[in-house]
Amino acid sequence: ETGVTQTPRHLVMGMTNKKSLKCEQHLGHNAMYWYKQSAKKPLELMFVYSLEERVENNSVPSRFSPECPNSSHLFLHLHTLQPEDSALYLCASSQESGGSYNEQFFGPGTRLTVL
Amino acid sequence: AQSVTQPDIHITVSEGASLELRCNYSYGATPYLFWYVQSPGQGLQLLLKYFSGDTLVQGIKGFEAEFKRSQSSFNLRKPSVHWSDAAEYFCAVGAVSGGSYIPTFGRGTSLIVHP
Repeated sequence: ETGVTQTPRHLVMGMTNKKSLKCEQHLGHNAMYWYKQSAKKPLELMFVYSLEERVENNSVPSRFSPECPNSSHLFLHLHTLQPEDSALYLCASSQESGGSYNEQFFGPGTRLTVL
Repeated sequence: AQSVTQPDIHITVSEGASLELRCNYSYGATPYLFWYVQSPGQGLQLLLKYFSGDTLVQGIKGFEAEFKRSQSSFNLRKPSVHWSDAAEYFCAVGAVSGGSYIPTFGRGTSLIVHP
């Protein structure tokens, strides 16, 4: 595997289900991100992890719970979602080092549908 | 806080014609600027970036962008569009927050290419 991978690519779940999205980066980066991409809306940054510590949480509802067990893996745990949470969820990674910032590398996304 | 405006939701061009996609940003310091492209069902791919130095930046796939501080703009250009360029294009500005790089994306411009 190369780059940033996400599984599953598609997910359909009911509002009472619990599921998890997985992201893995094979680039040796030290920062990872979750984004939500809804139709006709700007890309919404949900969570940022730098060196496995959460540094940003843009007031995301608690039904979304991130987990970053190491610098290569990022999870998004989902429970009691709402239909409006249906969207494409994108994971990204980047390398941060001593004030030098670089571009993000994105995974292909997980298309989530909440029934 | 930083912000990005992409004033054109859709742009339609004929194959072989030139292209310019507009991006205006708001940020108090020298920004990190990016253009990404997203094909249907895929994640975002970096086209080019500006951090400092030469204000005309060359990217992949024949794209270029020019940073104009006086106009707070970072417009994307291509002299001759190919049908495969049809995609969604996102401008992004990066700012440092708590020692981490936090990007803000524009709403995107959808490029339609006519044969």
